Amino acid sequence: DTGVSQDPRHKITKRGQNVTFRCDPISEHNRLYWYRQTLGQGPEFLTYFQNEAQLEKSRLLSDRFSAERPKGSFSTLEIQRTEQGDSAMYLCASRSGTHYEQYFGPGTRLTVT
Amino acid sequence: AQSVSQHNHHVILSEAASLELGCNYSYGGTVNLFWYVQYPGQHLQLLLKYFSGDPLVKGIKGFEAEFIKSKFSFNLRKPSVQWSDTAEYFCAVNGFQKLVFGTGTRLLVSP
Repeated sequence: DTGVSQDPRHKITKRGQNVTFRCDPISEHNRLYWYRQTLGQGPEFLTYFQNEAQLEKSRLLSDRFSAERPKGSFSTLEIQRTEQGDSAMYLCASRSGTHYEQYFGPGTRLTVT
Repeated sequence: AQSVSQHNHHVILSEAASLELGCNYSYGGTVNLFWYVQYPGQHLQLLLKYFSGDPLVKGIKGFEAEFIKSKFSFNLRKPSVQWSDTAEYFCAVNGFQKLVFGTGTRLLVSP
């Protein structure tokens, strides 16, 4: 089963450090999404890619956040100068161009101390 | 802006009880609606979806949902829950390419 994979699954970092997460989508999916989920909330949209093009970014995505999908395959999400408020589960999802349902990865849980 | 409301934040049921979880959405365009489930320690999984056609859609594990356009609702139902249905359930609407989720409902089924 080649579902969406994310690495690392857990990350603990100190405030002010930079972190980078990776997402590998389902291979034939050309759309890739990043969401953030905090305790007691549903996932909130951050950004999405169609192939290598980043087509939309949420206002939640401050200047400290950057995402890339350089070859239209895997994607990275980088957070610079982490803050305690960045502590959350970061979810990646992908879908094909013809079907609207998104398939989610296991997430990366970030804890900023 | 799109939004999704899930009225029940926590639900506790005994096995074999019937389940209905409420979901209301706000979106002006053509809607695609979803229910996702997150079992303890697992990632979000698609339970069922509505795009068009028959407003009563059936998903995995005996779940179904009914789209009522006039009420902007997409409630999730199951006639008889099992202990293994203990999970968090999220309603979502697809608006302008991205999913907008409700806050989720935690369901606890006691044996």
